[in-house]
Amino acid sequence: DAMVIQNPRYQVTQFGKPVTLSCSQTLNHNVMYWYQQKSSQAPKLLFHYYDKDFNNEADTPDNFQSRRPNTSFCFLDIRSPGLGDAAMYLCATSRDWASWDFGAGTRLSVL
Amino acid sequence: GESVGLHLPTLSVQEGDNSIINCAYSNSASDYFIWYKQESGKGPQFIIDIRSNMDKRQGQRVTVLLNKTVKHLSLQIAATQPGDSAVYFCAENLDGGTSYGKLTFGQGTILTVHP
Repeated sequence: DAMVIQNPRYQVTQFGKPVTLSCSQTLNHNVMYWYQQKSSQAPKLLFHYYDKDFNNEADTPDNFQSRRPNTSFCFLDIRSPGLGDAAMYLCATSRDWASWDFGAGTRLSVL
Repeated sequence: GESVGLHLPTLSVQEGDNSIINCAYSNSASDYFIWYKQESGKGPQFIIDIRSNMDKRQGQRVTVLLNKTVKHLSLQIAATQPGDSAVYFCAENLDGGTSYGKLTFGQGTILTVHP
């Protein structure tokens, strides 16, 4: 059974219309990460939560925000999606630096 | 639509051949490395890992070699099968000085296995 679950698998939004992607985990991992992966590129870390502490990567645009209401759930909010934000968004979790688990990803299209 | 992506290196092999995928990592302070397999439309799947105090680690049909002198990592797949066709990424753990790490991914290599 999937332990890191991302919903939806495919999301279509309109240019400038806010969108939220969801990630849940059954592993009780204390760290949750969001990666952005554009076509034919490697996943790029946007930010992560260590417990409730939010850690933003220096080059992550302000357009991207995240929420973690509890251990199990983490959300990625894109406030005003642009065409360049179309990508696969991957959620990952870890308990320690030797145990990462990835979700299947959400493919975001921006029209 | 999406931005035009970079062209990933490609490796084409025949079924049954051995495959070697290479990766140059960026940070000499990285202390842990993972190879991932990613099939189209799916998330990265763990293959094998290695710590910086080792130079070789073997799994089932896979071997990872680490050369810290030149910051180079390789993945060897024995008797490659069509099901091995995917994009392969190396990832390095940059220890941020806390008890957890942040994975940074390398460029990726497209492996195509021909029957």
